[in-house]
Amino acid sequence: AQTVTQSQPEMSVQEAETVTLSCTYDTSENNYYLFWYKQPPSRQMILVIRQEAYKQQNATENRFSVNFQKAAKSFSLKISDSQLGDTAMYFCAFAGNSGNTPLVFGKGTRLSVIA
Amino acid sequence: DVKVTQSSRYLVKRTGEKVFLECVQDMDHENMFWYRQDPGLGLRLIYFSYDVKMKEKGDIPEGYSVSREKKERFSLILESASTNQTSMYLCASSLWGGLNEKLLFGSGTQLSVL
Repeated sequence: AQTVTQSQPEMSVQEAETVTLSCTYDTSENNYYLFWYKQPPSRQMILVIRQEAYKQQNATENRFSVNFQKAAKSFSLKISDSQLGDTAMYFCAFAGNSGNTPLVFGKGTRLSVIA
Repeated sequence: DVKVTQSSRYLVKRTGEKVFLECVQDMDHENMFWYRQDPGLGLRLIYFSYDVKMKEKGDIPEGYSVSREKKERFSLILESASTNQTSMYLCASSLWGGLNEKLLFGSGTQLSVL
């Protein structure tokens, strides 16, 4: 079974600084998908970024980018120019490519952006 | 605006009550999911459904059941609520064959069982 590990329960960052959230996963599959979801205080989960394992290039969405290291099974999220609105829980998630297997989520990292 | 709607944002129930949590999506999605979110434990899958009248157990189905009589609606049922079922419940949906596509989530139901 796949597992997703987020080793940082809480983090904080100064406004306008850069922060990196860690995520590692375990799988025997070769093709799969990785995600970062954001849950702000409103509780509405929002997809931040998605990475397909067969793509070498790291995904980027505006201030959000990932560092995908397939051999190391690592998928970290970098937030540049942090804003107060980035304060949220961040969840890393894994989806296998074999059959209809639901997403597996990590336990989350609570990020606080400080003015 | 497409969305997943959960019928209650907050709910307080008594131990032993039968509880229904309702979820409706307006995107014609085939897949629907119920997750439970607890501090320090992340999201854990309770049940999911690929199609009408179909259901599959997730990681923690004990004490729960589900119903999907119509494509757009997926109900989570607590047959006899217990205090350890106090939690945040999140419903989500996605397209068929889209388990590796993005999930769309409702805004959650915070259930307290007293």
